[in-house]
Amino acid sequence: AQTVTQSQPEMSVQEAETVTLSCTYDTSESDYYLFWYKQPPSRQMILVIRQEAYKQQNATENRFSVNFQKAAKSFSLKISDSQLGDAAMYFCAYRSGDTLAGSYQLTFGKGTKLSVIP
Amino acid sequence: DTGVSQDPRHKITKRGQNVTFRCDPISEHNRLYWYRQTLGQGPEFLTYFQNEAQLEKSRLLSDRFSAERPKGSFSTLEIQRTEQGDSAMYLCAEGDTSYNEQFFGPGTRLTVL
Repeated sequence: AQTVTQSQPEMSVQEAETVTLSCTYDTSESDYYLFWYKQPPSRQMILVIRQEAYKQQNATENRFSVNFQKAAKSFSLKISDSQLGDAAMYFCAYRSGDTLAGSYQLTFGKGTKLSVIP
Repeated sequence: DTGVSQDPRHKITKRGQNVTFRCDPISEHNRLYWYRQTLGQGPEFLTYFQNEAQLEKSRLLSDRFSAERPKGSFSTLEIQRTEQGDSAMYLCAEGDTSYNEQFFGPGTRLTVL
């Protein structure tokens, strides 16, 4: 079974600065997808960024980028120019790419609570 | 919030009572998921529908839990004889493999007294 580990329960960053959230995962599969989801307080979870394992290029979405190290099974999220609205729980998630895997359910880490200091 | 809706947003019940939650997806995405999120944890997969067929259930889904998705549109999750350990946020998500993304609802927070 796949597991996702987020070793930083809480992180803080000064507004306008850069912060990196860590995520490692364990899998025996070669085809899979990795995601970072953001869950603001009392609001629904939204997708921040997605990485396909077969792509060597790291995904970027505006101020958000990832450092995907497939051999090390590491998938960190970098938030540049942090804004107050970035304060939230961030979850790293894994999804099998096996078309026979069935549900394509997401396996989540425990999350990292990010605080942004004005 | 826009998108997937869930009702109710909060539910307080006494141990032993039955509760039912509803999820309304925003589109015709054929896949619908239920997850459970307890305090300090990430969401955990409960069950999945493709259209109206329930194709997979987690071992977390005990016999007291039942889910339906009639006509492949909205879905309901029922918990019978609730226990204090059922207290959690229940999240619904819809997804389409072509988008490789799941869209989450705001969740239903259940408190069992």
